[in-house]
Amino acid sequence: DVQMTQSPSTLSASVGDRVTITCRASRNIKSWLAWYQQKPGKAPKVLIYKASNLQSGVPPRFSGSGSGTEFTLTISSLQPDDFGTYYCLQHDSYWTFGQGTRVEIK
Amino acid sequence: QVQLRESGPRLVKSSETLSLTCSVSGGSISGYYWSWVRQPPGKALEWIGYIYSRGSTLYSPSFQSRTTLSVDMSINQFSLKLRSVTAADTAVYFCARGRDFDNMDLEVWGLGTTVTVS
Repeated sequence: DVQMTQSPSTLSASVGDRVTITCRASRNIKSWLAWYQQKPGKAPKVLIYKASNLQSGVPPRFSGSGSGTEFTLTISSLQPDDFGTYYCLQHDSYWTFGQGTRVEIK
Repeated sequence: QVQLRESGPRLVKSSETLSLTCSVSGGSISGYYWSWVRQPPGKALEWIGYIYSRGSTLYSPSFQSRTTLSVDMSINQFSLKLRSVTAADTAVYFCARGRDFDNMDLEVWGLGTTVTVS
């Protein structure tokens, strides 16, 4: 199985801050990685697919990068609505989610 | 726009079988991969498995021994059966659709349904 290590587990940042979340894969998954945002009591919402492609309708302050084993989700200027938990998902071999990053607004 | 809706018993007794159905509306079930994902209370998302519209399946090794997925294209539904459940199977269960044949991230999600094992 491919293991996904996501960090940090929690982060607290101010509106306007640049925020970075990282996922590391236990082996090469090429670019088969997506990023999701989940609000409490809601289904996850896809932000980025194939490592760096912005989902239609998602604000451009969200971006993804990386390939192989290391991937990054960046929020260029944190907004109040960006609170929630963020997950990465690899779908190269079976499917595996990261453990999540809870983003809090200071 | 395609919409997914999970349905099934909210309460299941320990050692019995959890059965859920996902109804697909606003689009065809044909040509896509359809997954089940669950989320225990306060925990991360867990992928259970997928079924392609033509019936081929792939299960997470963590669930393979007690899971069966099926699809009924005639009524645009697919289903999950999870056998021999315990309290650890208490979770919100989501159904989801893969983006397309080449990009298999989970693009469309149902609202989720909470299942409690007593």
